[in-house]
Amino acid sequence: EAQVTQNPRYLITVTGKKLTVTCSQNMNHEYMSWYRQDPGLGLRQIYYSMNVEVTDKGDVPEGYKVSRKEKRNFPLILESPSPNQTSLYFCASSLLAGASTDTQYFGPGTRLTVL
Amino acid sequence: LAKTTQPISMDSYEGQEVNITCSHNNIATNDYITWYQQFPSQGPRFIIQGYKTKVTNEVASLFIPADRKSSTLSLPRVSLSDTAVYYCLVGAWYNQGGKLIFGQGTELSVKP
Repeated sequence: EAQVTQNPRYLITVTGKKLTVTCSQNMNHEYMSWYRQDPGLGLRQIYYSMNVEVTDKGDVPEGYKVSRKEKRNFPLILESPSPNQTSLYFCASSLLAGASTDTQYFGPGTRLTVL
Repeated sequence: LAKTTQPISMDSYEGQEVNITCSHNNIATNDYITWYQQFPSQGPRFIIQGYKTKVTNEVASLFIPADRKSSTLSLPRVSLSDTAVYYCLVGAWYNQGGKLIFGQGTELSVKP
């Protein structure tokens, strides 16, 4: 089944404790992206990757890191989480084909709480 | 990057047709218009995409006027299960690389 998986789905942590949220897709997509969603603010892009070893900042990259060592994986790293990073996080992937932005396939989300 | 403006919320009743309009005044020549649907605590799901005129699939229709400065998502005969947030997204890979901007979305509430 074609899908984007994220782990963990729920995470409660404390300020300053490094964490990684994994994202994996099985569709051989070139493009992957991370978003955060907060009430009243919609979806905001954190980082994206157009291909392996190519990453770039979205609208709200501060406090986050990403890596793209393999095509299928795009982990989101919070080196020193703070309470303002409490949010719902989504990973997405897309096939870069043609001119349009193409369909993005989203993961189920990771609800992160930083105390 | 083209910014989008949508109504924050809309109410409807089962069986009615719902039209959600998205404004994108600075849409670029090569930009496409894509709509996503999101249920609570789930990731957004692709509904429909278009470049100009009208596009229809089994779920919705998308109307785009000639100037392309706005677009309208039409949901025929909505049901309670259509209650969700709907996002309009405008862009094209080679205009903006991978940077994508979702607006705040329109929260549609369908009542019995």
